[in-house]
Amino acid sequence: AQSVTQPDIHITVSEGASLELRCNYSYGATPYLFWYVQSPGQGLQLLLKYFSGDTLVQGIKGFEAEFKRSQSSFNLRKPSVHWSDAAEYFCAVGPSDTGRRALTFGSGTRLQVQP
Amino acid sequence: DAGVIQSPRHEVTEMGQEVTLRCKPISGHDYLFWYRQTMMRGLELLIYFNNNVPIDDSGMPEDRFSAKMPNASFSTLKIQPSEPRDSAVYFCASREALRANEQFFGPGTRLTVL
Repeated sequence: AQSVTQPDIHITVSEGASLELRCNYSYGATPYLFWYVQSPGQGLQLLLKYFSGDTLVQGIKGFEAEFKRSQSSFNLRKPSVHWSDAAEYFCAVGPSDTGRRALTFGSGTRLQVQP
Repeated sequence: DAGVIQSPRHEVTEMGQEVTLRCKPISGHDYLFWYRQTMMRGLELLIYFNNNVPIDDSGMPEDRFSAKMPNASFSTLKIQPSEPRDSAVYFCASREALRANEQFFGPGTRLTVL
């Protein structure tokens, strides 16, 4: 069965500092990987996705993520965090190697940005 | 494009009452998903449809929950009777069949059962 682990429940960084959010997945085949962001009281917005090809993918709002098959990781990065980046971030994998078309989400990482 | 539309945005009800949550997917999307988000359990898939047909309802917690998709532009999630432990944010999402798993989420319905 596929699974996603986000080991950091809560991260605090200073505005302007760099950011890396960790994501590890367990999957039997070539995964499709996603990062979503959820601002307070809002739905989930897609930041970026990886399907194939270049393992470094660029997303919206200056985010990027790198797929590392050997480490089963898909970490999200941003070189300089802005106060508006404070939100909850979810990593997801899909489709299922059993044919299930839905995504499997991690438990999320809540990002707090200090001025 | 208006995106995925959910109603109501907030619902407060008393235990034992019937609750109906509504979702309008993005036009042209073939898949529709219902998720529930709580602090304790995170984001859980409840059920999803493909071309209006329920494909996987293994995440529906119990018989009190039911979901329908009578046509391509409308789905409902019903809880009858509701219980306090059903309090959560319920999200609807949709996607096109050819854009593998790029799901678009609605704003959610925050349900509080007293």
